[in-house]
This record gives sequence, C-alpha cells and structure tokens, in this order.
Amino acid sequence: QKEVEQNSGPLSVPEGAIASLNCTYSDRVSQSFFWYRQYSGKSPELIMSIYSNGDKEDGRFTAQLNKASQYVSLLIRDSQPSDSATYLCAVKTGANNLFFGTGTRLTVIP
Amino acid sequence: DVKVTQSSRYLVKRTGEKVFLECVQDMDHENMFWYRQDPGLGLRLIYFSYDVKMKEKGDIPEGYSVSREKKERFSLILESASTNQTSMYLCASSFPRGEAFFGQGTRLTVV
Repeated sequence: QKEVEQNSGPLSVPEGAIASLNCTYSDRVSQSFFWYRQYSGKSPELIMSIYSNGDKEDGRFTAQLNKASQYVSLLIRDSQPSDSATYLCAVKTGANNLFFGTGTRLTVIP
Repeated sequence: DVKVTQSSRYLVKRTGEKVFLECVQDMDHENMFWYRQDPGLGLRLIYFSYDVKMKEKGDIPEGYSVSREKKERFSLILESASTNQTSMYLCASSFPRGEAFFGQGTRLTVV
C-alpha cells in the first residue's frame, strides 16, 4: 500500500464552481499534512498546511483533516482558470519523512 | 523568504558518467530531501537527511547516493548514470514537522 493516495483525476470544473480534491494516508502517527500546487514545468508550491483535525481556511482554499479516517481534502471555492494545475497531497510520517501522492490534475473551464 | 537553490536547471550527461546534483538551503532546516518526478509516477523519494551526515533511504535509492557534510547542503550522486535516470530531480528542505520548500528543479537527460 502506498503511503499517500490521491484520486488521480483528471478533474474538470467550470469557472466559479467548487473543486474537491481528496487524499488518504497509511501511517497512523502522521502529524503534518500539506497541499502543494504544481504548474507545468515548475516545482511544487506550498498552498496549505494542516496539523489538527477539522477545517483550516485560507482565502478560497479550505483544507480538511480527519485523522480517525486518515483522510485529507482540499476544497477550492470560486475556482478560477489560474487554479488549473496539478495538486499534490503530502504527509509527514512519524519519522518526519515526507511522502507525496501522485497528484490530481485540475482544469478550470472558463 | 526560504530559498532552496539547485546548482543546475538543465543537465545533459553521458551513460556511465558520475553525476553530482547540488542543493543549498538558507533557512537552517534540519531536514532535506531528494525526489525524482516522472509523468504518471508523481514525486518519488530517493533519499532523506534529518541531520548532518545522517540519511535514510527513500522509495527508490538504487543507483543513487547522497552526501550531507554541512547542514545547508545536500548532494545527490549518480554513481554511473543510466538512461533510466533521465528525469526531473527536485530538492526540498524543512524543519522536522514543518512545511517543505522546493528548489527550482534539475532536468537531467542521460544520453
């Protein structure tokens, strides 16, 4: 079983809609969870971090964490064409190692 | 701002060459990582270092080694480059529980 799994997509949403991205992880003692955005040809850019159960909001982005279900999600409200990118879920294990999912490609259609 | 700098943006090397990829960070981070990224396979961890001279193998260490003689510098070494090591290589650094920041990446082509 992979450390981190994401719904592989691709995902297409119309401009202004909510995009929902999901991720599960296998290491129960993981404490730190991240979402990165990667544009084609660029390196990953951190957009959200979450460390405790519940929701964390930052502008149009909301990260949700459920440690009991080993589940992390990212919601993007009012999606814009500039949000079109690959979104990577990342989890730090108990040993502080950092594993990534394979990413979900999001396309926002104008 | 955190800065992670990789020594080269593009590299072309011949099969069998020894290749060094260098990464330097300026945030006094304890943790440093080397990943490779290939289409459809995502980011795969090659090696992880949690302190000077300390390292752990990641998912795909075969054919690679690393060196961390100073806290700010983490080097990835391809002992004898092969064509299947053609890839995008990404270095990152972080505090133990914190966010990781990436360098700009090195696109390596082995011919």
